Amino acid sequence: EDQVTQSPEALRLQEGESSSLNCSYTVSGLRGLFWYRQDPGKGPEFLFTLYSAGEEKEKERLKATLTKKESFLHITAPKPEDSATYLCAVQAYEGSQGNLIFGKGTKLSVKP
Amino acid sequence: KAGVTQTPRYLIKTRGQQVTLSCSPISGHRSVSWYQQTPGQGLQFLFEYFSETQRNKGNFPGRFSGRQFSNSRSEMNVSTLELGDSALYLCASSVQGLGEETQYFGPGTRLLVL
Repeated sequence: EDQVTQSPEALRLQEGESSSLNCSYTVSGLRGLFWYRQDPGKGPEFLFTLYSAGEEKEKERLKATLTKKESFLHITAPKPEDSATYLCAVQAYEGSQGNLIFGKGTKLSVKP
Repeated sequence: KAGVTQTPRYLIKTRGQQVTLSCSPISGHRSVSWYQQTPGQGLQFLFEYFSETQRNKGNFPGRFSGRQFSNSRSEMNVSTLELGDSALYLCASSVQGLGEETQYFGPGTRLLVL
């Protein structure tokens, strides 16, 4: 069964304190892994797509990496405005009917 | 460029009733996907419509149904509401559909079933 697990569930950082969020997955052939950011009361906002192990993408203070079993979202010198829930999702070539399978998210709080 | 819009934003219903939610995708987008988000289960895929045809479907009972119109607007219907249907219902649109690099989400419709 295709599955996505995110850890930790919640993370509290001081402004400037770098850290990483983890997304581990089990799928029958990865088509793509997606990272989203969700603010309270809003829909998810697309951040990155990764397709193959070894791939990395960066955007401002965020950097996403991918291995064969997991992905990391590295946050460098975070600011309070980075506070949000970060969601990871995978899509498989087979099984799950091509759907996006989401993890339950990591709630990040950055204190000034 | 206008984003994805969903109506209504908030809805209160009682058990046994039915509800219809609406989603207007970004202009030019032909794919609309629907998701249910709850604190316990997270985001779960309901179904995807592309050019008026259901292309993918998640593991939800038949009480959940949808359709897409020729202008790509989509509606989702839930019949015989249950307490567990209380959730945030999100739709997302994209040009080509699931797996495309960017899916744009709407703000969601928050449904409360009493």
